[in-house]
Amino acid sequence: GAGVSQSPSNKVTEKGKDVELRCDPISGHTALYWYRQSLGQGLEFLIYFQGNSAPDKSGLPSDRFSAERTGGSVSTLTIQRTQQEDSAVYLCASSLVPSQVETQYFGPGTRLLVL
Amino acid sequence: QKEVEQNSGPLSVPEGAIASLNCTYSDRGSQSFFWYRQYSGKSPELIMFIYSNGDKEDGRFTAQLNKASQYVSLLIRDSQPSDSATYLCAVSRGNTPLVFGKGTRLSVIA
Repeated sequence: GAGVSQSPSNKVTEKGKDVELRCDPISGHTALYWYRQSLGQGLEFLIYFQGNSAPDKSGLPSDRFSAERTGGSVSTLTIQRTQQEDSAVYLCASSLVPSQVETQYFGPGTRLLVL
Repeated sequence: QKEVEQNSGPLSVPEGAIASLNCTYSDRGSQSFFWYRQYSGKSPELIMFIYSNGDKEDGRFTAQLNKASQYVSLLIRDSQPSDSATYLCAVSRGNTPLVFGKGTRLSVIA
């Protein structure tokens, strides 16, 4: 497909378990962003990758959250020891050139529910 | 703390009317301003961006920016029921992640 894809689309897990969320950006896009949207809230920036530069992790809420991007393409967001407050929609976005934020395209999101 | 403030709504307007959505931001270094539309259960989609003071028109949509007042707005003319959605305002310093407001829910009544 031509758009940003994310998997799984839905994830239900138990408190304390680890989860991995995947993002496939649009081919050729050098910048990749992770955001979180809790119910009734705006989007909260988590982390972004820009080419081969060190990622900006300033938005990660705790050390239970980590992300990697392999080969400049696919990214995985990992949440360790999940808590109920981690329940949210996790959105990934990519853009062709980091400075052209107007070309930031969002994936469909992963809806995470921690019981 | 960089903040973007929006009235959560709901903002209800009759079909055919002008919907006016407002946003204020705290970071005076912000350079880029965006409006995203988000339908329930869907991901955000970009509808407008603006960089310079003044108005920018695209079809039924007009974005207005006033940097001195740290204010950005979105006008939707001839509102349609299909415009009913949550509208997210986002700002950036440029080459940085977006800072989003919590969104305004718009309801266009047929």
